[in-house]
Amino acid sequence: DAGITQSPRYKITETGRQVTLMCHQTWSHSYMFWYRQDLGHGLRLIYYSAAADITDKGEVPDGYVVSRSKTENFPLTLESATRSQTSVYFCASSELDTIYFGEGSWLTVV
Amino acid sequence: AQSVTQLGSHVSVSEGALVLLRCNYSSSVPPYLFWYVQYPNQGLQLLLKYTSAATLVKGINGFEAEFKKSETSFHLTKPSAHMSDAAEYFCAVSDLVGAQKLVFGQGTRLTINP
Repeated sequence: DAGITQSPRYKITETGRQVTLMCHQTWSHSYMFWYRQDLGHGLRLIYYSAAADITDKGEVPDGYVVSRSKTENFPLTLESATRSQTSVYFCASSELDTIYFGEGSWLTVV
Repeated sequence: AQSVTQLGSHVSVSEGALVLLRCNYSSSVPPYLFWYVQYPNQGLQLLLKYTSAATLVKGINGFEAEFKKSETSFHLTKPSAHMSDAAEYFCAVSDLVGAQKLVFGQGTRLTINP
């Protein structure tokens, strides 16, 4: 039972580069989410998806792009990475009233 | 808009002592409330959740929380702290069944002193 897997787990990239964080879930949950975690801010919602081909903005969507062509995958792309996007990114999925989180992707933009 | 305030970014208790982590929420509709725990370099694990059933909710690892509507609080407690409880704890609120767009508090780091 793999659950939610994120890749890469750790990434260092340069300012201006495009970066894609992958998220895969094995449960076929309808909803999927991307959060970022920063010290002093807890977790903040970037984007979420209610089903394949249905996505919507969260609290902090600027600078990010998502897609969901298949139910099980929900990639997050930073089109032109900035230092302010250095963070820990968590993918999550939910069914009924419980959200399950992946292990996180640590991204450093230099 | 919903919001969550966790009182105290750091809490330190002795092993065997009572753990009390405070959470107050703001919501214009009946909330769903959650506590998550995060161990170093790991994802978030659900401790317990309140979804309008019993106001006293029991979770994993001996934790429990009580929903108090009059105080808009959902404090997390554990009668006797264990060294393994050292972690970051997050309170979260949601008002939408299904979409579950959680709004998180800033987190409380719990330290256990031997």
